Amino acid sequence: AQTVTQSQPEMSVQEAETVTLSCTYDTSESDYYLFWYKQPPSRQMILVIRQEAYKQQNATENRFSVNFQKAAKSFSLKISDSQLGDAAMYFCAYRGTLNTGTASKLTFGTGTRLQVTL
Amino acid sequence: KAGVTQTPRYLIKTRGQQVTLSCSPISGHRSVSWYQQTPGQGLQFLFEYFSETQRNKGNFPGRFSGRQFSNSRSEMNVSTLELGDSALYLCASSLMAGNSGANVLTFGAGSRLTVL
Repeated sequence: AQTVTQSQPEMSVQEAETVTLSCTYDTSESDYYLFWYKQPPSRQMILVIRQEAYKQQNATENRFSVNFQKAAKSFSLKISDSQLGDAAMYFCAYRGTLNTGTASKLTFGTGTRLQVTL
Repeated sequence: KAGVTQTPRYLIKTRGQQVTLSCSPISGHRSVSWYQQTPGQGLQFLFEYFSETQRNKGNFPGRFSGRQFSNSRSEMNVSTLELGDSALYLCASSLMAGNSGANVLTFGAGSRLTVL
């Protein structure tokens, strides 16, 4: 079974600084997708960034970028120029591609709570 | 474009009762998934529906059930409620079924269920 591990329950960053959130996963599949979702106090999960495993290039979305290391099964999220609005729970998630079931569900990590201070 | 709408946002039930939660997906989205979020177990997959058919089901007891209507709206039902069913129930919709590379889930704000 696939597992996703986020080893940092809480992180703190000063406004305008850079922070990196860690995520590791375990899978026997060779093709899959990885995601970072943000959940602010409003509770709505918002997609931050997505990475296809077959792509070697790391995904970027404005101030958000990932460091995808397939061999190490590592998928970290870097937030540059942190803003107060970035404060939220961040979840790393995995989705497989097999029709046996991994394709239609996300497996989430336990989340990292990010605080942004002035 | 309206997002994923979940109703009710909050509800309180007592043990033994049943509850029905509703989810209206983004217009045009045909796949709906449900997740349970609790402090202890985190986010866990409940089930996925596509074109009124359940495609996949998570490891939950039979008390948890769902369905999808022809307009893609979905409902989930929990019967004989237990204290441990207290959770945030999140619905997500996507354009296509699970194994498409373009299948990005858009979540609703959730329904918070408290069981007393």
